[in-house]
Amino acid sequence: DARVTQTPRHKVTEMGQEVTMRCQPILGHNTVFWYRQTMMQGLELLAYFRNRAPLDDSGMPKDRFSAEMPDATLATLKIQPSEPRDSAVYFCASGPRSGEGEQFFGPGTRLTVL
Amino acid sequence: AQSVAQPEDQVNVAEGNPLTVKCTYSVSGNPYLFWYVQYPNRGLQFLLKYITGDNLVKGSYGFEAEFNKSQTSFHLKKPSALVSDSALYFCAVRDPTSPYMDSNYQLIWGAGTKLIIKP
Repeated sequence: DARVTQTPRHKVTEMGQEVTMRCQPILGHNTVFWYRQTMMQGLELLAYFRNRAPLDDSGMPKDRFSAEMPDATLATLKIQPSEPRDSAVYFCASGPRSGEGEQFFGPGTRLTVL
Repeated sequence: AQSVAQPEDQVNVAEGNPLTVKCTYSVSGNPYLFWYVQYPNRGLQFLLKYITGDNLVKGSYGFEAEFNKSQTSFHLKKPSALVSDSALYFCAVRDPTSPYMDSNYQLIWGAGTKLIIKP
């Protein structure tokens, strides 16, 4: 049963600390998305990769957020330094090469910045 | 501007009754439309999609959705609701203005509708 995996599932940190979230997309999928979900803003697209190349990261605060895909099996989202307003659930999703737009979501990383 | 609207923040339905969760869209061209469900503390799960063809599409867990081009709507329906259907439902449309000509475009997401099924 192929699934998107994310680590860690929960992270509590203090303001100013670096946070790294990891995602393993479904094997063979060529598109990876990072989303943030909050009660106030709903679901926001942060970044979007195809074949490991970043296509759109306009939703991401550039001064503190960065997203990379060092290889086809790993996507990372880093926040440095973290702030309390970054507290949210961060989702990774992947999409198949032959798909029509379906996205397969991981379980999310719940981040709390104190 | 491209947009998706889910006009109801919450829908309450008694178990066994039919349910409808509404979605309207505003995009240029022919939209690809999707419904996703999110159970508590879980990621979103794909339910169904409309690409072309029959306006009534069937998906997982007994859900179906009806595409209505003249009303620019894609409402989610189920004939008989279950308590286990209680969740957050998102409508989404594939952005036809994306410059990329292959699959896996970005999706434009609705704000979500909380569905509560009461026993």
